Amino acid sequence: DTEVTQTPKHLVMGMTNKKSLKCEQHMGHRAMYWYKQKAKKPPELMFVYSYEKLSINESVPSRFSPECPNSSLLNLHLHALQPEDSALYLCASSQDLGTAFFGQGTRLTVV
Amino acid sequence: AQSVAQPEDQVNVAEGNPLTVKCTYSVSGNPYLFWYVQYPNRGLQFLLKYITGDNLVKGSYGFEAEFNKSQTSFHLKKPSALVSDSALYFCAVRGPGTTGGSYIPTFGRGTSLIVHP
Repeated sequence: DTEVTQTPKHLVMGMTNKKSLKCEQHMGHRAMYWYKQKAKKPPELMFVYSYEKLSINESVPSRFSPECPNSSLLNLHLHALQPEDSALYLCASSQDLGTAFFGQGTRLTVV
Repeated sequence: AQSVAQPEDQVNVAEGNPLTVKCTYSVSGNPYLFWYVQYPNRGLQFLLKYITGDNLVKGSYGFEAEFNKSQTSFHLKKPSALVSDSALYFCAVRGPGTTGGSYIPTFGRGTSLIVHP
């Protein structure tokens, strides 16, 4: 099983809303990632959690707040987003230095 | 620093013909190389990887890739293209981690493959 599950698949939110994206994997992977992807562009790394601790923050604005409640779950809390934050948000996981497996993404639209 | 170049924005091929999607890389130490495919509004799907061993790597859906160390290339190939292969393809590289190079993969800009019936 190489499945990473992301919910919701689609999300529309206003600029004053607070919402959360969720990611779950049961492969025992100890590294989990959030990426942001604009149309026809490569994914851009946002955050990396390694063994449930934040190890990389790629200078992401504070309106994005990651959380790793346990080794299987990864959340991305959203608050006061801007229209330019509209994108496909991808979660991925890997076993230490192994292959990264991606979820299907959450298509976020900020209105 | 590690980097990946995918020199073609788009590759067009007729169904049944062989296809090649090009990728060259730069990394400190021995490279870990990956190919992913992305269909519209979907996540990235892992196709194949090279870490060590045989330079010809076979992956999912009949795809294969050839690692060429002297040319620092890792081109994706398929002997006979299908219309359903039409998608966005990403090459990625990462270093060996603790012995040099970041363990986080760096992605190329992507190549759109269009297979014509």
